[in-house]
Amino acid sequence: AQSVTQLDSHVSVSEGTPVLLRCNYSSSYSPSLFWYVQHPNKGLQLLLKYTSAATLVKGINGFEAEFKKSETSFHLTKPSAHMSDAAEYFCVVSTGTYKYIFGTGTRLKVLA
Amino acid sequence: EAGVVQSPRYKIIEKKQPVAFWCNPISGHNTLYWYRQNLGQGPELLIRYENEEAVDDSQLPKDRFSAERLKGVDSTLKIQPAELGDSAVYLCASGRSTDTQYFGPGTRLTVL
Repeated sequence: AQSVTQLDSHVSVSEGTPVLLRCNYSSSYSPSLFWYVQHPNKGLQLLLKYTSAATLVKGINGFEAEFKKSETSFHLTKPSAHMSDAAEYFCVVSTGTYKYIFGTGTRLKVLA
Repeated sequence: EAGVVQSPRYKIIEKKQPVAFWCNPISGHNTLYWYRQNLGQGPELLIRYENEEAVDDSQLPKDRFSAERLKGVDSTLKIQPAELGDSAVYLCASGRSTDTQYFGPGTRLTVL
């Protein structure tokens, strides 16, 4: 069975400092993995996706994630946080039948 | 291209009343999903359509929820009668039979 665990429910960083949002997954298949961002009262926006190509995936707004099979991790990073990055972030694993399994989310707070 | 359109954005109703949500997917996307997102949680799939066919409705509470996707384009999700526990954000997503799903802004339902 597939599952995804976001290790932190809340993360606070200062503006201009690096961001790390952690995600571990479990999958019986070679997984597809995604990160989505949700700003208040908005829908989910795709940040990036991994589909068995390069293990380092670059996304929008300076975000990237690295797929590490040995650690079953897919952590999201950004070198320098902006105030506009404050939002809820969801890690998602796809089962291969187009069914998404969502993590519980990480709320990112960016301090001025 | 235009994104997924949902209406209404907000809905407040009394319990036991009916309610309906509408979704217009991205043009050319044959797969459509309805999700429910409870406060502080990740979205959970209610139903998935491939064209007109509901291919996964195992999580749809069929005693009170119904959905349709006429002509394989727009979709409507209905709740009748609504209960207090149905208060949530209802998200629609669409895709092209690939892994990536694109989400609409959601409808926030409040049942009083």
